[in-house]
Amino acid sequence: KNEVEQSPQNLTAQEGEFITINCSYSVGISALHWLQQHPGGGIVSLFMLSSGKKKHGRLIATINIQEKHSSLHITASHPRDSAVYICAPPCTPEWYGNKLVFGAGTILRVKS
Amino acid sequence: DGGITQSPKYLFRKEGQNVTLSCEQNLNHDAMYWYRQDPGQGLRLIYYSQIVNDFQKGDIAEGYSVSREKKESFPLTVTSAQKNPTAFYLCASTPPGGRGMNTEAFFGQGTRLTVV
Repeated sequence: KNEVEQSPQNLTAQEGEFITINCSYSVGISALHWLQQHPGGGIVSLFMLSSGKKKHGRLIATINIQEKHSSLHITASHPRDSAVYICAPPCTPEWYGNKLVFGAGTILRVKS
Repeated sequence: DGGITQSPKYLFRKEGQNVTLSCEQNLNHDAMYWYRQDPGQGLRLIYYSQIVNDFQKGDIAEGYSVSREKKESFPLTVTSAQKNPTAFYLCASTPPGGRGMNTEAFFGQGTRLTVV
């Protein structure tokens, strides 16, 4: 059983479209990361959120802790948004510390 | 500024040679992690360490070794026993967190290892 499910796996959009990427997880108590990975591999942390909604520029992330579901939205998408988007909920073992697990990622391509 | 430094960004090695990837953090984080990513695949956990002088195998530890002699450093050695070492390797760290605590993870830029 996968601990983290992302959808869709691949997404192609036209420039300007509103984009939604979903993440459902079965582990973790609170907080979730959204990460962006550009071609070439470097990973950037976009958000860490534990409740409600966060906004940064054209990116919006929402989370429902009770339903263990999060969404990442991109408004007015642009070709430079093309990347892999990964969600990562921390799961807490019995002793202190968190063990990160990752979704498989959503490959987004925005066409001009 | 605090952060995680992975080096080098690109690394080439001959088949059969051991190679060590560096990961250093100055965030005073207790936990550090190594992940591997193959083309078109998600990140998979190789090893993690929650405290100094202790580390645990992840899902794909075979052919890898680590050490955690200092809090700041968590080097990963890709040994000759690793059958397919060419991949992208990512290091991450988190502060300690218990139930109900939110922790923010920090990530290195990654090392792309190519074995020829």
